Amino acid sequence: AQTVTQSQPEMSVQEAETVTLSCTYDTSENNYYLFWYKQPPSRQMILVIRQEAYKQQNATENRFSVNFQKAAKSFSLKISDSQLGDTAMYFCAFMKHPTQGGSEKLVFGKGTKLTVNP
Amino acid sequence: NAGVTQTPKFRILKIGQSMTLQCTQDMNHNYMYWYRQDPGMGLKLIYYSVGAGITDKGEVPNGYNVSRSTTEDFPLRLELAAPSQTSVYFCASRVGQSNTGELFFGEGSRLTVL
Repeated sequence: AQTVTQSQPEMSVQEAETVTLSCTYDTSENNYYLFWYKQPPSRQMILVIRQEAYKQQNATENRFSVNFQKAAKSFSLKISDSQLGDTAMYFCAFMKHPTQGGSEKLVFGKGTKLTVNP
Repeated sequence: NAGVTQTPKFRILKIGQSMTLQCTQDMNHNYMYWYRQDPGMGLKLIYYSVGAGITDKGEVPNGYNVSRSTTEDFPLRLELAAPSQTSVYFCASRVGQSNTGELFFGEGSRLTVL
């Protein structure tokens, strides 16, 4: 079974600075998706960024980028120019790629609470 | 499109009562999921469905039941509510065989069992 580990329960960063959230995972699969979801105080789950394991290039979405190290099974999220609106819980998640067969369940880590300070 | 809609948003139950959390999506997604979120524990999968008439258990199915009679609806039923079922419940959906893998979530339902 796949597992996702987020080793930082809480982090804080000053506005406009850069912060990196860590995530490691365990799987025997070769092709899969990795995600970072954001959950602000409103509780809504929002997709931040997605990485497909067979793509070597790290995904980037505006101020958000990932460092995907497949061999190390590591998937960290970097937030540049942090903004007050980035304050939220951040969840790392894993899903087998549909071509791998079997059920397609999203497995979540326990989350990292990020606070951006003014 | 409304996306994924969950009702109710809040509910207080007494021990032993039963209730149904409703979930409907208007995106014609094949896959639907129910997760529960406990403080500090991330999201855990309760049940999921890959299409109408097909459901399967996730990590924590005990005390819950689901049905999927239509593509749009995936209700979660709690029988004999217990304090351990106090949690925030999320319904989610996605297109089967998609090339994105993205889940679309409802806004969550906070359930308290006293």
